[in-house]
Amino acid sequence: AQSVTQLDSHVSVSEGTPVLLRCNYSSSYSPSLFWYVQHPNKGLQLLLKYTSAATLVKGINGFEAEFKKSETSFHLTKPSAHMSDAAEYFCVVSAEGGGNKLTFGTGTQLKVEL
Amino acid sequence: EAGVAQSPRYKIIEKRQSVAFWCNPISGHATLYWYQQILGQGPKLLIQFQNNGVVDDSQLPKDRFSAERLKGVDSTLKIQPAKLEDSAVYLCASSSGTLGYTDTQYFGPGTRLTVL
Repeated sequence: AQSVTQLDSHVSVSEGTPVLLRCNYSSSYSPSLFWYVQHPNKGLQLLLKYTSAATLVKGINGFEAEFKKSETSFHLTKPSAHMSDAAEYFCVVSAEGGGNKLTFGTGTQLKVEL
Repeated sequence: EAGVAQSPRYKIIEKRQSVAFWCNPISGHATLYWYQQILGQGPKLLIQFQNNGVVDDSQLPKDRFSAERLKGVDSTLKIQPAKLEDSAVYLCASSSGTLGYTDTQYFGPGTRLTVL
C-alpha cells in the first residue's frame, strides 16, 4: 500500500521569500516520488521526480526536493518565490509492485503576495 | 513533441444523459491512464491501459463508466447515465510504459464536466 500526506492545504508567501511545501509518504516498497504543479484551467505539469538516484532532486523553475528516507519526507523548496509560482502543487508516490499506479496527495495551494 | 490532447475541454450535461471524452496520447506511449479529479481533491485513477489491454480498472464504476483504447492509440471514456457526483475534471495521461514504477506520466489539459 502507498499513500501521501501533504501537511498544508494552503501556503502563503511574499514574492522573493523562500517556499516550503511539505510532503510525507508511506510505501511498503521502494518508492518513486514526484511533484506536479497545476495552474488554473491547465493540466498537471511535472516539476521533478525522485527514482532512487541522488536524494536531492532539482526540477524546473528553480524548485528542488530532498528525499529523506529516515523521515519518510519529500519536501519541495524554492529559494525565492515568484508571482508565477502561484498554483496548486501535488506530491505523488508510485511504488515498486504497484504497476506504476500514482497516488496523489490532496494538494497544497500556494499563494504568492507582492 | 506534441503533448497529450483531450477534447472537449468543457462539457455541461443534465443528469441521466450520456457523455464521451476523447484522448490522444503522446506518440509512441504504450500506457494510457484516465483520472477523475473532483474539486479540491487530487486526481484518482479510473483506468489504466497498456497498449489496448486493461491493466487496472479497479476504481472504475463499471455500472455507468466505460473506456476503450482501440488499436492501442486513442482512447474514449464514456459515462452513461451521468449523475450529479460525476461533476469533475477528467484527465488523460500517458507514459512510455518502459520504466515500470519510475515512469513519468504526462497529463493532458483535462475535460471539465458539469452535471446539472
